[in-house]
Amino acid sequence: EVQLVESGGGLVQPGGSLRLSCAASGFTFSTYDMHWVRQVTGKGLEWVSAIDTAGDPYYPGSVKGRFTISRENAKNSLYLQMNSLRAGDTAVYYCTREFGGYGFDHWGQGTLVTVSS
Amino acid sequence: SYELTQPPSVSVSPGQTASITCSGDKLGDKYACWFQQKPGQSPVLVIYQDSKRPSGIPERFSGSNSGNTATLTISGTQTMDEADYYCQAWDSRSVVFGGGTKLTVL
Repeated sequence: EVQLVESGGGLVQPGGSLRLSCAASGFTFSTYDMHWVRQVTGKGLEWVSAIDTAGDPYYPGSVKGRFTISRENAKNSLYLQMNSLRAGDTAVYYCTREFGGYGFDHWGQGTLVTVSS
Repeated sequence: SYELTQPPSVSVSPGQTASITCSGDKLGDKYACWFQQKPGQSPVLVIYQDSKRPSGIPERFSGSNSGNTATLTISGTQTMDEADYYCQAWDSRSVVFGGGTKLTVL
């Protein structure tokens, strides 16, 4: 069974940093592109970052230069290093698996990040 | 940047057909997929590659994509289908989501 389990969320002050982790199991992690998607409470889904099987990262303009996605295939783990956090980054962050460029077929339960003083 | 537009809400009576649209420039030239999200839960993929259903998704869910519009159709809508629905497509290497549509079954 495919499982994605996020961790590392919490309360952080504006300007601070946080590192999210996603532990993957039930599939060959190294052969899938992986993504982070976030959702502000009561709002829609927003793509945050992606990393392909070669380790190349991709970001939207809203987080480029502040967030860094990485993966450690030996540990079946995905990470998101978030720096210079702002109130607008407050959201639930989901780890998700992309399959074949067609969609995200598995999602974690999400981890809540709250940026507040 | 590329944008996908969905109606904020759609209402349907139980047993009837619900259609949720997703509009974007030349969206038909891209693959679209759809996610269902119920309160307090993570999104679930219900349609990928415009019209394919993942295993476990009921046959009443179908999709199409042509021109500038992708459509999610739910035939014989059930009360359990009440949820938020999001379309999604790729623009180059970026992922784009629609704003979401709240489907009310009443």
